[in-house]
Amino acid sequence: DGGITQSPKYLFRKEGQNVTLSCEQNLNHDAMYWYRQDPGQGLRLIYYSQIVNDFQKGDIAEGYSVSREKKESFPLTVTSAQKNPTAFYLCASSASGPRVEQPQHFGDGTRLSIL
Amino acid sequence: RKEVEQDPGPFNVPEGATVAFNCTYSNSASQSFFWYRQDCRKEPKLLMSVYSSGNEDGRFTAQLNRASQYISLLIRDSKLSDSATYLCVVNTLTGTASKLTFGTGTRLQVTL
Repeated sequence: DGGITQSPKYLFRKEGQNVTLSCEQNLNHDAMYWYRQDPGQGLRLIYYSQIVNDFQKGDIAEGYSVSREKKESFPLTVTSAQKNPTAFYLCASSASGPRVEQPQHFGDGTRLSIL
Repeated sequence: RKEVEQDPGPFNVPEGATVAFNCTYSNSASQSFFWYRQDCRKEPKLLMSVYSSGNEDGRFTAQLNRASQYISLLIRDSKLSDSATYLCVVNTLTGTASKLTFGTGTRLQVTL
């Protein structure tokens, strides 16, 4: 079945530690996205990538980093510089970034908490 | 003003009722619109795209009013399984990138 796989489902971070969230898709989508969702707030865009080896900052990129070495994969690293990392992280993909009519499809998310 | 605004609810309705949600957006250059459904502690799932002429999918009807910059979702004959948060999503093309902006969602609770 085609889809987006995020792992792990739950992740705990110690103070000062970097952690990496995995996102893999087999939909052959060009564009991939990372969002963060906090209680009572809408999804906020962290980073996005329209093609391999290229990515752009979203609205809240500080304290995060990404890479896009393969079309299928778009890992997100939450660095120690992100002071409030506790949130629900969602990865999404769409067929083509610039085409506005293409909806995004989401993985089932990773819940990150501070120990 | 928020880019996308929704009434957070909750909307508590009995099974079988008709319920409507509205969503307003601030960027007149926004080009496409979607409704997503999100269950508690789950990922958002696409419910339907919203087209200028309005579109219907079973019990769900979505409409777009560009002049007033709002979109709506109508649910007829509500089911218990419709209980969820409904996210209004607006897509705007800026340069060569499209940007989705999410509303905070409207919570629906359907009761017996």
